Amino acid sequence: DAGVTQSPTHLIKTRGQQVTLRCSPKSGHDTVSWYQQALGQGPQFIFQYYEEEERQRGNFPDRFSGHQFPNYSSELNVNALLLGDSALYLCASSRPRGGRVETQYFGPGTRLLVL
Amino acid sequence: AQTVTQSQPEMSVQEAETVTLSCTYDTSENNYYLFWYKQPPSRQMILVIRQEAYKQQNATENRFSVNFQKAAKSFSLKISDSQLGDTAMYFCAFMKRLQGAQKLVFGQGTRLTINP
Repeated sequence: DAGVTQSPTHLIKTRGQQVTLRCSPKSGHDTVSWYQQALGQGPQFIFQYYEEEERQRGNFPDRFSGHQFPNYSSELNVNALLLGDSALYLCASSRPRGGRVETQYFGPGTRLLVL
Repeated sequence: AQTVTQSQPEMSVQEAETVTLSCTYDTSENNYYLFWYKQPPSRQMILVIRQEAYKQQNATENRFSVNFQKAAKSFSLKISDSQLGDTAMYFCAFMKRLQGAQKLVFGQGTRLTINP
């Protein structure tokens, strides 16, 4: 049973560039959430996708956008990169049903460094 | 908005000892879930234990147990017979129980080191 996978594992970009991060959910999961984890901090919620739509968004600017595909995989795009975007980006998948909370399972993350 | 506070940035104990990590949270919600996640140095976040707020019984998972005090909004994690593999960052997290989107709100984490 494949867990949550993310690619790439590491990425180096320069300020102003754009980046795309990818996530494949755990088998059987249809909901993908993205989190940003700055060094030494707890993860911060960016947004969540379900049925190919953004369902909820955290306090992140519009430079952060996403997409979910019919196979439930997801992409996180960040435009006009800033130094402060350097962080570990975590993807988590789940399968919430009828208000019942399902545990979110995390991928290994993508480490983004903006120079 | 919900907030989660972990007041112990770092802790260190000897192998086989028992250690307790603290977590407090602030919410006006009555239905919610609480989680402890572990993030080893290899960085993949792993669920340790979860607690449903409507359940009075404290959750346990092998050597891991919680002390859930709903009125005090406290959710501590106890690790018994600690092992070297327990060395990791531990995050306490809160999730509202509602239809649709469910996001985790994390604390700042506690870095736990188990010494041989």
